[in-house]
Amino acid sequence: ILNVEQSPQSLHVQEGDSTNFTCSFPSSNFYALHWYRWETAKSPEALFVMTLNGDEKKKGRISATLNTKEGYSYLYIKGSQPEDSATYLCAFTNYGQNFVFGPGTRLSVLP
Amino acid sequence: SAVISQKPSRDICQRGTSLTIQCQVDSQVTMMFWYRQQPGQSLTLIATANQGSEATYESGFVIDKFPISRPNLTFSTLTVSNMSPEDSSIYLCSVKGAGVNNEQFFGPGTRLTVL
Repeated sequence: ILNVEQSPQSLHVQEGDSTNFTCSFPSSNFYALHWYRWETAKSPEALFVMTLNGDEKKKGRISATLNTKEGYSYLYIKGSQPEDSATYLCAFTNYGQNFVFGPGTRLSVLP
Repeated sequence: SAVISQKPSRDICQRGTSLTIQCQVDSQVTMMFWYRQQPGQSLTLIATANQGSEATYESGFVIDKFPISRPNLTFSTLTVSNMSPEDSSIYLCSVKGAGVNNEQFFGPGTRLTVL
Protein backbone atom coordinates (compact mmCIF):
# COMPACT_ATOMS: atom_id res chain seq x y z
CA ILE A 1 0.00 0.00 0.00
CA LEU A 2 1.42 3.36 -1.05
CA ASN A 3 1.42 5.97 1.68
CA VAL A 4 1.91 9.72 1.37
CA GLU A 5 2.34 11.80 4.50
CA GLN A 6 2.24 15.53 5.01
CA SER A 7 3.31 17.64 7.93
CA PRO A 8 2.26 19.62 9.73
CA GLN A 9 -1.44 18.77 9.67
CA SER A 10 -2.30 22.43 10.22
CA LEU A 11 -0.46 25.68 10.59
CA HIS A 12 -1.33 29.20 11.70
CA VAL A 13 1.02 32.00 10.70
CA GLN A 14 0.93 35.78 10.77
CA GLU A 15 0.69 37.78 7.58
CA GLY A 16 4.19 38.36 6.26
CA ASP A 17 5.68 35.22 7.79
CA SER A 18 7.36 32.67 5.58
CA THR A 19 6.46 29.04 6.03
CA ASN A 20 7.08 25.58 4.65
CA PHE A 21 5.48 22.15 4.68
CA THR A 22 6.70 18.65 3.96
CA CYS A 23 5.39 15.85 1.78
CA SER A 24 6.86 12.35 2.21
CA PHE A 25 6.28 9.66 -0.38
CA PRO A 26 7.61 6.25 -1.48
CA SER A 27 10.98 6.60 -3.21
CA SER A 28 10.54 3.53 -5.42
CA ASN A 29 8.82 3.57 -8.83
CA PHE A 30 8.56 7.36 -8.64
CA TYR A 31 7.02 9.10 -11.64
CA ALA A 32 5.82 12.53 -10.48
CA LEU A 33 4.93 14.60 -7.44
CA HIS A 34 2.04 17.05 -7.62
CA TRP A 35 1.21 19.97 -5.35
CA TYR A 36 -2.30 21.42 -5.18
CA ARG A 37 -3.88 24.33 -3.33
CA TRP A 38 -7.45 23.69 -2.23
CA GLU A 39 -9.58 26.54 -1.00
CA THR A 40 -12.91 25.79 0.63
CA ALA A 41 -15.76 25.33 -1.86
CA LYS A 42 -13.38 25.63 -4.82
CA SER A 43 -11.63 23.14 -7.07
CA PRO A 44 -8.15 22.02 -6.04
CA GLU A 45 -5.75 24.13 -8.11
CA ALA A 46 -2.59 22.57 -9.49
CA LEU A 47 0.54 24.40 -8.32
CA PHE A 48 3.44 22.25 -9.46
CA VAL A 49 4.25 18.96 -11.14
CA MET A 50 7.75 17.78 -10.34
CA THR A 51 9.46 14.83 -11.93
CA LEU A 52 13.25 15.08 -11.57
CA ASN A 53 15.32 14.65 -8.44
CA GLY A 54 16.57 18.07 -7.40
CA ASP A 55 13.76 19.90 -9.22
CA GLU A 56 12.96 23.33 -7.90
CA LYS A 57 9.88 25.17 -9.12
CA LYS A 58 8.58 28.62 -8.36
CA LYS A 59 5.28 30.41 -8.88
CA GLY A 60 5.23 33.90 -7.41
CA ARG A 61 5.85 33.62 -3.67
CA ILE A 62 5.44 29.85 -3.66
CA SER A 63 8.24 27.42 -4.46
CA ALA A 64 8.84 23.70 -4.12
CA THR A 65 11.76 21.32 -4.07
CA LEU A 66 11.95 17.60 -4.75
CA ASN A 67 14.18 14.80 -3.46
CA THR A 68 13.16 11.54 -5.07
CA LYS A 69 15.98 9.49 -3.55
CA GLU A 70 14.86 10.11 -0.01
CA GLY A 71 11.20 10.60 -0.87
CA TYR A 72 10.29 14.11 0.19
CA SER A 73 9.22 17.46 -1.21
CA TYR A 74 9.06 20.83 0.49
CA LEU A 75 6.62 23.62 -0.34
CA TYR A 76 7.67 27.12 0.69
CA ILE A 77 5.54 30.24 0.92
CA LYS A 78 7.41 33.52 1.27
CA GLY A 79 5.66 36.46 2.93
CA SER A 80 2.35 34.69 3.56
CA GLN A 81 -0.83 36.60 2.77
CA PRO A 82 -4.40 35.92 3.98
CA GLU A 83 -5.31 34.76 0.47
CA ASP A 84 -2.77 31.93 0.86
CA SER A 85 -5.06 30.35 3.44
CA ALA A 86 -6.00 26.95 2.02
CA THR A 87 -5.27 23.27 2.30
CA TYR A 88 -2.12 22.26 0.43
CA LEU A 89 -2.19 18.73 -0.96
CA CYS A 90 0.60 16.69 -2.42
CA ALA A 91 0.03 13.63 -4.59
CA PHE A 92 2.49 10.95 -5.68
CA THR A 93 2.19 9.07 -8.93
CA ASN A 94 4.11 5.96 -9.85
CA TYR A 95 4.53 4.30 -13.21
CA GLY A 96 1.07 2.82 -12.80
CA GLN A 97 -0.15 6.41 -13.00
CA ASN A 98 -2.25 6.12 -9.87
CA PHE A 99 -2.58 9.28 -7.82
CA VAL A 100 -2.01 8.82 -4.10
CA PHE A 101 -2.77 11.90 -2.05
CA GLY A 102 -1.49 13.00 1.29
CA PRO A 103 -3.96 14.24 3.92
CA GLY A 104 -3.00 17.86 3.31
CA THR A 105 -1.65 20.74 5.36
CA ARG A 106 -4.24 23.33 6.34
CA LEU A 107 -2.70 26.81 6.37
CA SER A 108 -4.35 29.79 8.04
CA VAL A 109 -2.72 33.18 7.54
CA LEU A 110 -3.85 35.70 10.13
CA PRO A 111 -3.97 39.36 9.12
CA SER B 1 -6.87 22.51 -18.64
CA ALA B 2 -10.50 21.52 -18.12
CA VAL B 3 -13.38 23.30 -16.41
CA ILE B 4 -15.44 20.96 -14.29
CA SER B 5 -18.69 21.67 -12.49
CA GLN B 6 -20.49 19.56 -9.90
CA LYS B 7 -24.01 19.52 -8.55
CA PRO B 8 -25.03 19.79 -5.81
CA SER B 9 -22.30 21.77 -4.09
CA ARG B 10 -23.48 20.53 -0.72
CA ASP B 11 -26.30 18.55 0.81
CA ILE B 12 -27.53 17.27 4.13
CA CYS B 13 -29.21 13.89 3.90
CA GLN B 14 -30.92 11.43 6.16
CA ARG B 15 -29.51 8.00 6.92
CA GLY B 16 -30.74 5.33 4.51
CA THR B 17 -31.40 7.67 1.59
CA SER B 18 -29.39 8.03 -1.62
CA LEU B 19 -27.83 11.04 -3.31
CA THR B 20 -26.72 11.39 -6.92
CA ILE B 21 -23.87 13.78 -7.67
CA GLN B 22 -23.43 15.14 -11.19
CA CYS B 23 -20.17 16.07 -12.86
CA GLN B 24 -19.96 18.04 -16.11
CA VAL B 25 -16.73 18.70 -18.05
CA ASP B 26 -16.30 21.38 -20.70
CA SER B 27 -14.47 19.04 -23.08
CA GLN B 28 -14.68 15.41 -24.12
CA VAL B 29 -12.59 13.08 -21.99
CA THR B 30 -12.14 9.33 -21.99
CA MET B 31 -11.76 8.79 -18.28
CA MET B 32 -13.37 10.54 -15.34
CA PHE B 33 -12.45 9.85 -11.75
CA TRP B 34 -14.45 9.99 -8.52
CA TYR B 35 -12.73 10.71 -5.21
CA ARG B 36 -13.87 11.24 -1.68
CA GLN B 37 -12.24 12.91 1.29
CA GLN B 38 -13.58 11.87 4.66
CA PRO B 39 -12.91 14.30 7.53
CA GLY B 40 -9.23 14.31 8.43
CA GLN B 41 -8.37 11.77 5.73
CA SER B 42 -6.65 11.85 2.34
CA LEU B 43 -8.42 12.18 -0.95
CA THR B 44 -9.13 8.59 -1.94
CA LEU B 45 -10.02 7.28 -5.37
CA ILE B 46 -13.42 5.56 -5.47
CA ALA B 47 -13.58 4.55 -9.12
CA THR B 48 -12.64 5.35 -12.69
CA ALA B 49 -15.53 5.93 -15.09
CA ASN B 50 -14.98 5.15 -18.75
CA GLN B 51 -17.56 6.01 -21.36
CA GLY B 52 -19.18 2.92 -22.80
CA SER B 53 -18.03 0.46 -20.15
CA GLU B 54 -18.56 -0.28 -16.50
CA ALA B 55 -16.67 1.75 -13.96
CA THR B 56 -13.57 0.28 -12.35
CA TYR B 57 -13.74 0.39 -8.55
CA GLU B 58 -10.84 0.61 -6.14
CA SER B 59 -10.40 -1.78 -3.26
CA GLY B 60 -12.97 -1.11 -0.57
CA PHE B 61 -15.55 0.41 -2.90
CA VAL B 62 -18.37 -1.52 -4.58
CA ILE B 63 -20.84 -0.80 -7.32
CA ASP B 64 -23.90 -1.44 -5.17
CA LYS B 65 -22.85 1.31 -2.77
CA PHE B 66 -21.46 3.76 -5.35
CA PRO B 67 -23.13 3.17 -8.73
CA ILE B 68 -21.67 5.33 -11.48
CA SER B 69 -23.08 6.33 -14.82
CA ARG B 70 -21.09 7.65 -17.77
CA PRO B 71 -23.59 8.30 -20.58
CA ASN B 72 -21.28 10.44 -22.72
CA LEU B 73 -17.78 11.91 -22.90
CA THR B 74 -18.56 15.06 -20.88
CA PHE B 75 -20.79 13.84 -18.06
CA SER B 76 -20.84 11.37 -15.18
CA THR B 77 -22.86 10.73 -12.05
CA LEU B 78 -21.95 9.08 -8.76
CA THR B 79 -24.70 7.84 -6.46
CA VAL B 80 -24.05 7.33 -2.78
CA SER B 81 -26.60 4.68 -1.81
CA ASN B 82 -28.18 3.79 1.51
CA MET B 83 -26.19 6.47 3.23
CA SER B 84 -24.82 6.34 6.75
CA PRO B 85 -22.98 9.03 8.74
CA GLU B 86 -19.68 7.42 7.65
CA ASP B 87 -20.45 8.58 4.11
CA SER B 88 -20.17 12.22 5.20
CA SER B 89 -17.36 13.43 2.97
CA ILE B 90 -16.39 15.76 0.19
CA TYR B 91 -16.85 14.01 -3.15
CA LEU B 92 -14.86 15.24 -6.15
CA CYS B 93 -14.75 14.32 -9.76
CA SER B 94 -11.65 14.81 -11.87
CA VAL B 95 -10.18 14.31 -15.32
CA LYS B 96 -6.61 13.90 -16.47
CA GLY B 97 -4.86 16.49 -18.59
CA ALA B 98 -3.31 15.70 -21.93
CA GLY B 99 0.28 16.42 -20.84
CA VAL B 100 2.91 13.76 -20.20
CA ASN B 101 2.72 14.29 -16.46
CA ASN B 102 -1.00 13.44 -16.36
CA GLU B 103 -2.06 16.37 -14.22
CA GLN B 104 -5.53 16.02 -12.81
CA PHE B 105 -8.15 18.73 -12.90
CA PHE B 106 -10.85 18.68 -10.28
CA GLY B 107 -14.39 19.84 -9.82
CA PRO B 108 -15.25 22.03 -6.82
CA GLY B 109 -16.59 19.08 -4.85
CA THR B 110 -19.85 18.09 -3.21
CA ARG B 111 -19.89 18.39 0.56
CA LEU B 112 -22.19 15.70 1.93
CA THR B 113 -23.39 15.45 5.50
CA VAL B 114 -25.40 12.41 6.54
CA LEU B 115 -27.41 12.67 9.74
